[in-house]
Amino acid sequence: EDKVVQSPLSLVVHEGDTVTLNCSYEVTNFRSLLWYKQEKKAPTFLFMLTSSGIEKKSGRLSSILDKKELFSILNITATQTGDSAIYLCAVEVSTGRRALTFGSGTRLQVQP
Amino acid sequence: GAVVSQHPSWVICKSGTSVKIECRSLDFQATTMFWYRQFPKQSLMLMATSNEGSKATYEQGVEKDKFLINHASLTLSTLTVTSAHPEDSSFYICSARGPSWDNEQFFGPGTRLTVL
Repeated sequence: EDKVVQSPLSLVVHEGDTVTLNCSYEVTNFRSLLWYKQEKKAPTFLFMLTSSGIEKKSGRLSSILDKKELFSILNITATQTGDSAIYLCAVEVSTGRRALTFGSGTRLQVQP
Repeated sequence: GAVVSQHPSWVICKSGTSVKIECRSLDFQATTMFWYRQFPKQSLMLMATSNEGSKATYEQGVEKDKFLINHASLTLSTLTVTSAHPEDSSFYICSARGPSWDNEQFFGPGTRLTVL
């Protein structure tokens, strides 16, 4: 059974701090790993990672994938209160229906 | 990016009634649509996968007679929660993917169902 594990489950930081969120996975026929940000509604897409060692960056957010060790990290630098959300990691497989298996999420709270 | 809409965005119903949720891809043809459920403080759990014109594939533990899925066109899938009970109260989210192998999933805004 495909499995995605995120850590920590929750995190409280102050504005300006840097945070690292972790995602490890065990799946058969890995295709891609995706990061989403969820506030009150449906998840919004952040990154899709398919290759090891290539950092994806968008503003203060960046992410990298290690396909040998089966994990990914999401970094957020200079955090702001607007970064408070649940960050979801999901893995897509390359066979069958290609649905996403989600981790439990990391709830990030950034305090002023 | 592509746009997926859901209707209604929230619904409150009495126990025993049926509720239909629509998921539409607004600017692309969605050959595959997925239905997820999210309980409070939990992650998204896949309920079923539907391909246009064929029967949905349900995940283990999801009752197909209770959660009826119809994907009759390339832009519309519906999820009907039949004889809803309070334990069905949840956030239901659909996503849609186009026909190309490289197409990513796009999520709808979700529907919050409360069963009294």
